[in-house]
Amino acid sequence: GAGVSQSPRYKVTKRGQDVTLRCDPISSHATLYWYQQALGQGPEFLTYFNYEAQPDKSGLPSDRFSAERPEGSISTLTIQRTEQRDSAMYRCASSPHGAGRSSYNEQFFGPGTRLTVL
Amino acid sequence: AQSVTQLDSQVPVFEEAPVELRCNYSSSVSVYLFWYVQYPNQGLQLLLKYLSGSTLVKGINGFEAEFNKSQTSFHLRKPSVHISDTAEYFCAVTRSGGYNKLIFGAGTRLAVHP
Repeated sequence: GAGVSQSPRYKVTKRGQDVTLRCDPISSHATLYWYQQALGQGPEFLTYFNYEAQPDKSGLPSDRFSAERPEGSISTLTIQRTEQRDSAMYRCASSPHGAGRSSYNEQFFGPGTRLTVL
Repeated sequence: AQSVTQLDSQVPVFEEAPVELRCNYSSSVSVYLFWYVQYPNQGLQLLLKYLSGSTLVKGINGFEAEFNKSQTSFHLRKPSVHISDTAEYFCAVTRSGGYNKLIFGAGTRLAVHP
């Protein structure tokens, strides 16, 4: 597609429910990032994928959070047993090159998914 | 590790006035620096970036920023703002080379008034 897309754009769920967010990166982009942005804050890194590998998940706040990119394209972020503190904008970004490059690799952001946990 | 501080959470300004949004960073390694803009209900859009070379970088929509290594700053400026510049602006840093996870500041909300 022309840009990074995310779905759903808005999600309201009840505490304790599981949610899955989806990111469609720009076609053929090698790397994919997930960020969490709480209200009034800047985005914070959660995890990233280099093709289908997930070399860094250091930003995931707890083991309730997991992400996949099984075929190196579409990615999902799943939050199990949601809590109110999980309410945030979840942003996905993709970059054209693999992580082995030593030069700059621009990130292109999607519109985000606004998650509200009641 | 890197960190970013945006010194102003909100900046009100009148249309056609100049504006400066301040950003300071901390890093023990060489970095790339960025400014992103977020318009309501839209994704983050890259305004400009500093990778190397000239310390004055120009971006879209008439914005520019100056990298100052000694002061570890990367302030964003525009000589004359428009109503349409009303948005949230984020300064970000990443270590140069390798994969580039971005470290963002908390953001500055620019409100341009007629």
